[in-house]
Amino acid sequence: GIQVEQSPPDLILQEGANSTLRCNFSDSVNNLQWFHQNPWGQLINLFYIPSGTKQNGRLSATTVATERYSLLYISSSQTTDSGVYFCAVDPNTDKLIFGTGTRLQVFP
Amino acid sequence: DTAVSQTPKYLVTQMGNDKSIKCEQNLGHDTMYWYKQDSKKFLKIMFSYNNKELIINETVPNRFSPKSPDKAHLNLHINSLELGDSAVYFCASSFRGGSPLHFGNGTRLTVT
Repeated sequence: GIQVEQSPPDLILQEGANSTLRCNFSDSVNNLQWFHQNPWGQLINLFYIPSGTKQNGRLSATTVATERYSLLYISSSQTTDSGVYFCAVDPNTDKLIFGTGTRLQVFP
Repeated sequence: DTAVSQTPKYLVTQMGNDKSIKCEQNLGHDTMYWYKQDSKKFLKIMFSYNNKELIINETVPNRFSPKSPDKAHLNLHINSLELGDSAVYFCASSFRGGSPLHFGNGTRLTVT
């Protein structure tokens, strides 16, 4: 089956710093999404981005499907950005396969 | 509020018992899912239903039985609970064919 690898596994930042999270996948996909799981366990959909670039406030994402990777950029990080960020892909199987996540901690 | 809602939020029970988790979405989606998140935060799909029809069953033990009375509801019944069933169970919904997936807030199941 498809492999979804996220890096780095852990990231510690001071408030105001920028960061880039990466998602590599081993096969072609027709669907890629980024999620944030906050410290209370809620899973929030950040981006639906099978290809191209999207921006939402301080967050943006880019997927290069031909090269099988996606990047999530967080600028001017805030403590509320803390949590686990998941990338999930669908290799045209009607189901999203999740990566192992990047745990982000932002300190004031 | 438009959302995916699941109940209960917490479920603590003993081995061997039977329990159910309910899920409802008012987003108008045609596909609903159950995901399991283990203690290491790994998320894995269990089932998906499209318009009440089962389309994905990911080699889950048959002690787990999903039921979808209509496209806005998907319940999960678990028989003969085991210690290894302890996890957080998330319901989710989307449109089939690719659209943002929306999750409920999860049900933390603890089997003692």
